[in-house]
Amino acid sequence: QKEVEQDPGPLSVPEGAIVSLNCTYSNSAFQYFMWYRQYSRKGPELLMYTYSSGNKEDGRFTAQVDKSSKYISLFIRDSQPSDSATYLCAILGNKLIFGTGTLLAVQP
Amino acid sequence: DVKVTQSSRYLVKRTGEKVFLECVQDMDHENMFWYRQDPGLGLRLIYFSYDVKMKEKGDIPEGYSVSREKKERFSLILESASTNQTSMYLCASSLGGITDTQYFGPGTRLTVL
Repeated sequence: QKEVEQDPGPLSVPEGAIVSLNCTYSNSAFQYFMWYRQYSRKGPELLMYTYSSGNKEDGRFTAQVDKSSKYISLFIRDSQPSDSATYLCAILGNKLIFGTGTLLAVQP
Repeated sequence: DVKVTQSSRYLVKRTGEKVFLECVQDMDHENMFWYRQDPGLGLRLIYFSYDVKMKEKGDIPEGYSVSREKKERFSLILESASTNQTSMYLCASSLGGITDTQYFGPGTRLTVL
């Protein structure tokens, strides 16, 4: 079993939709959870960072951690074409463990 | 703003060639990392360095070596390139340890023929 699992997509939504991106992980000891956004032909950039369980909101983005289910989510409200990118979850154990990424396309 | 630059965006090499990938960061970060990114496999850590002349193996170091002679520069070396090393190579740096936020360069798309 992989330490972090992420649906690769692709996910295509119309502009304005609510997007839900998800990852599951295997080790209940993990405490730090991150979401990176990677535009085409660019390196990943850190989008959100959460510690332990709960929600964290930043503008149109909400990161959610459910430690009991070992499940993390990123919600994007009022999605825009500029949100089209690959979204990578990353979990910090003794190193940063990345999911494979979900390709999101927001159609105008 | 942190800036991480990589020497080439696209590189084409032949099997058996020695390949150098260069990475430079301008924020005096202690830690630097090399990853490769492949479809369906995500980012995998090749090597990292937490200080000048120091290096640690990541998950997939075989076939690679690294050099860090100066704090701002971290080089990845493919001693004898092979076709299975065709990939996107990403360099990153962070101020603190491996737990700190990592800032990525734009990547080098390497093709080995």
